[in-house]
Amino acid sequence: GEDVEQSLFLSVREGDSSVINCTYTDSSSTYLYWYKQEPGAGLQLLTYIFSNMDMKQDQRLTVLLNKKDKHLSLRIADTQTGDSAIYFCAEKGDSSYKLIFGSGTRLLVRP
Amino acid sequence: DGGITQSPKYLFRKEGQNVTLSCEQNLNHDAMYWYRQDPGQGLRLIYYSQIVNDFQKGDIAEGYSVSREKKESFPLTVTSAQKNPTAFYLCASSLYPSGGGPTGELFFGEGSRLTVL
Repeated sequence: GEDVEQSLFLSVREGDSSVINCTYTDSSSTYLYWYKQEPGAGLQLLTYIFSNMDMKQDQRLTVLLNKKDKHLSLRIADTQTGDSAIYFCAEKGDSSYKLIFGSGTRLLVRP
Repeated sequence: DGGITQSPKYLFRKEGQNVTLSCEQNLNHDAMYWYRQDPGQGLRLIYYSQIVNDFQKGDIAEGYSVSREKKESFPLTVTSAQKNPTAFYLCASSLYPSGGGPTGELFFGEGSRLTVL
């Protein structure tokens, strides 16, 4: 079945770039998403990329998609302490009703 | 402001009791979802509803029940049959029932944390 995998933890220093990686198995994925979850809260959509794109940039966020390797990454430039959160990768097939989520990567930003 | 409201935020239950978690949205979305989140795990789909008076089981529906009598509301009941109910529960909605719209984006509530004593 479909599966989405992420590393569980990433620690970076404030001001550095963060790169969070994700791999997925569903070759019919049409949309791939990055969600952010702050402590004790719901998930908020950060950005998404359509499967026919290689890259999407939105201010400090850059999403890279390697469809051949089924690899998605989220780069956060100039990481701030407010970026500390759990980041979820998710994918959706074109005819699917649901998103498949990874286990989340906890990002810790050190001062 | 439009959004999704979940209540209560924290709930404690004794073993053998049923509890109901509320989810209300004023986004005029057709589809609504319930997810369960456990530490170190992704979100697992419990139930979803694409339209009023209709709902389907997700991946982990056993021990849970839902209703969708109104477009705005999708309450989740955690029954005594659920063997390990302590978790963080997230309700979500999306604009397009099949998820086949421009993005299929989900909008989430703030979550309800259920603890069984």
